[in-house]
Amino acid sequence: AQRVTQPEKLLSVFKGAPVELKCNYSYSGSPELFWYVQYSRQRLQLLLRHISRESIKGFTADLNKGETSFHLKKPFAQEEDSAMYYCALSKSGTSYDKVIFGPGTSLSVIP
Amino acid sequence: NAGVTQTPKFQVLKTGQSMTLQCAQDMNHNSMYWYRQDPGMGLRLIYYSASEGTTDKGEVPNGYNVSRLNKREFSLRLESAAPSQTSVYFCASRPNTDTQYFGPGTRLTVL
Repeated sequence: AQRVTQPEKLLSVFKGAPVELKCNYSYSGSPELFWYVQYSRQRLQLLLRHISRESIKGFTADLNKGETSFHLKKPFAQEEDSAMYYCALSKSGTSYDKVIFGPGTSLSVIP
Repeated sequence: NAGVTQTPKFQVLKTGQSMTLQCAQDMNHNSMYWYRQDPGMGLRLIYYSASEGTTDKGEVPNGYNVSRLNKREFSLRLESAAPSQTSVYFCASRPNTDTQYFGPGTRLTVL
């Protein structure tokens, strides 16, 4: 069965400090991992996906299949990064499958 | 393009009442999804539809039914609403293996 865990419900950091939001998954097949962000009163939107290996808004995430993790990192947090972050998992190579989300981490960046 | 639209935005029901949440997308996406968002639980998949004419259960399907009326529309029905179904409901669509695109959400309260 697919499962995504995000151990931190709340994470507070000071502006300029490094940020790491943790995501672990369990899946028997080949996974595709995503990070979605939801800013206050806005709809969810994609932040990044592992397959594209890009950096968006200074965030990066590396898929570690050995540790089954896909942690989200940013070296210097900004106030505008305050939001809800969700890690999500799907079967690689197809859209004809479910996408499962973790419980989310609420990031608060303190000025 | 309007993207993914949902109606209504807000709804209050009494226990036992029925209602249908509407979702439509104009991006010609094959897959569509219904999630509920609850504090501390993240997004949980209710049902999804890989293509027109097919639907599959997600993580929490009990108490819900869906209809994939055509490629554009994917509705969620509550036959007999219960207070446990108080939540924010999100619809999403997805092309091939790309990201999901989310609607603005429907905030449902069951008294």
